[in-house]
Amino acid sequence: AQKITQTQPGMFVQEKEAVTLDCTYDTSDQSYGLFWYKQPSSGEMIFLIYQGSYDEQNATEGRYSLNFQKARKSANLVISASQLGDSAMYFCAMRELSYNTDKLIFGTGTRLQVFP
Amino acid sequence: NAGVTQTPKFRILKIGQSMTLQCAQDMNHNYMYWYRQDPGMGLKLIYYSVGAGITDKGEVPNGYNVSRSTTEDFPLRLELAAPSQTSVYFCASRNTGDGANVLTFGAGSRLTVL
Repeated sequence: AQKITQTQPGMFVQEKEAVTLDCTYDTSDQSYGLFWYKQPSSGEMIFLIYQGSYDEQNATEGRYSLNFQKARKSANLVISASQLGDSAMYFCAMRELSYNTDKLIFGTGTRLQVFP
Repeated sequence: NAGVTQTPKFRILKIGQSMTLQCAQDMNHNYMYWYRQDPGMGLKLIYYSVGAGITDKGEVPNGYNVSRSTTEDFPLRLELAAPSQTSVYFCASRNTGDGANVLTFGAGSRLTVL
């Protein structure tokens, strides 16, 4: 069955430092997509970055990059040069693409706190 | 464009009452989803729909019903509210096809069952 695991309930990082948020996944499908979303205290869900299972290069979006290790089934989010505004919950999600289903499943999240 | 609109934003129900959470999108997205988020937790998929007239169960469908009579609307029905259904409910939609097709989320509906 499809599963997303985020093992870090909370992380702390100093401003301007880099931080890695872990995500592992389990799927039997060959075609899938991996997403990261940010949820600030205001509650909205903000899309950050996407990686397709067939993409050979790691995805990057500004200060966000996705460290995709397919053999290990991991899709870690790296935030470079952390800012105070990065303090939020971060969710990893997986979209399983099979002929009879199209679900997007989320992990339990990691709360990131950036301190000065 | 309004995106994904959810109503109501807040609601308090008594045990056993029924209600419908409304969700509408104006982006002509075929795929729509309902998630619930319990305090401090991730999002769990309740139901989803790949097009008008087609719905399917997610991870936690018990206690809920959905319908999809039009592309734009995807209401979520709670028939007999229970305290365990106290949560924040998010509706989302996205386009079809491969690739990212990022989910667009509504602002959420906070439901409390007392």
